[in-house]
Order: sequence, then structure tokens, then C-alpha cells
Amino acid sequence: GAVVSQHPSRVICKSGTSVKIECRSLDFQATTMFWYRQFPKQSLMLMATSNEGSKATYEQGVEKDKFLINHASLTLSTLTVTSAHPEDSSFYICSARVHARDGYTFGSGTRLTVV
Amino acid sequence: AQSVTQLGSHVSVSEGALVLLRCNYSSSVPPYLFWYVQYPNQGLQLLLKYTSAATLVKGINGFEAEFKKSETSFHLTKPSAHMSDAAEYFCAVSPGGATNKLIFGTGTLLAVQP
Repeated sequence: GAVVSQHPSRVICKSGTSVKIECRSLDFQATTMFWYRQFPKQSLMLMATSNEGSKATYEQGVEKDKFLINHASLTLSTLTVTSAHPEDSSFYICSARVHARDGYTFGSGTRLTVV
Repeated sequence: AQSVTQLGSHVSVSEGALVLLRCNYSSSVPPYLFWYVQYPNQGLQLLLKYTSAATLVKGINGFEAEFKKSETSFHLTKPSAHMSDAAEYFCAVSPGGATNKLIFGTGTLLAVQP
């Protein structure tokens, strides 16, 4: 089945630095990928929709200058958390969809801790 | 607008007992409905999906769900719980057609007692 590979699985960074998270579709082309954020014991919050070759679409309340999304190819989307602060610490998950009826395939997530 | 409500943020069952996780949806168009399971510090795994075919959907690990339009429900069940079923479960809705967004419920944490 469709596989989405997400790296790194865990990252600890210092406050003020930037962190890049990669999401790759391994055996299919993903023209659209989705980035979610999940706080402890809470549901997934859609942050943005990443579109190959065009600008990402951000959900209301998500700072596009802080969470930079790049989708330069049909198999790779990246999320960069710029000037990270402790409140950005969270679990970030990407996903992609092969076909409308197939549901979404999720990456394994990235645990970001900003110290 | 589409939305999903999961009743019960925590459900505890005994091993071997019936599992019932509730999900109600709101959608102005025929929806696609999904159940996902999440183990700690992992991504989400698709359990099953409803895409306007059979109303009783069978998924992996012995789970199934029934789409009831009259009740706008898509409850998840499993006849006999295993210890390995302990996890977080999310119900999600996606409007049919070209819309891409997947909207999640708040999740239900299932605990299985020995």
C-alpha cells in the first residue's frame, strides 16, 4: 500500500533555531500533502495543505511565515519551523492521499521539542 | 460545514468484552468516513473507511463500523477486545468529491483491562 515516510521522528532544538521536517511519498506521487499538529492528548489540527509547484494553503490562525511549507516535487514536502520557541513543541504529522476514496496515509510523525 | 463528534474521550473495557466507540458526523454532502488508530508517538493507521458502498464496513484487526444515515452515526465496534487494541482512535470525515480536507474528531482513548 501507499507509504509516507516522515523524518526525523524526534528532534530537539534550541529556541530561536529552525527545524525542517521532511515527508516523502515512497511509492506514489502526491500532488497534495497535508500537515497536522497534535498537542498531547488532543486531536489533529490541520495546519496547511501543501500543493506541488504552488503555494501552500494555510488554515486560519496558522502563521505562514513561521511554518514554511515547500512542495517542490511530487514526492517530497517539507515543513520548516522557523525561529522555534518552546510553545512550538508538538507532534507534527504529514499525510497524503492516493485516491479520494482510499483515505489518507500518514507519516509516523515528528516529535519536536524546543528548549 | 462538516464536523465529527466522538462521544467519550476515554473508554475502558475488559479484555474479551465488546468495544464500542461512538462517532457522529455532520455533513451537508454525502461524506466519506474513516476510523484511524494511533499508538503512542506514531502516526495514524487506517482501520476502515466508508465511501458510499456497503453501510457495514469491515476493517483490520477485527474492527467494523456501520454507517447509519438516519442517525448520522458511524460507530466503531469489535466483538472482543484484545490488550493490543489499547490506543487512541479517531473518527474523521471528508466531504465527497474533490474536497481534500480530512476533519478529525477529538479522539477516544481506549484502555483494555486484563
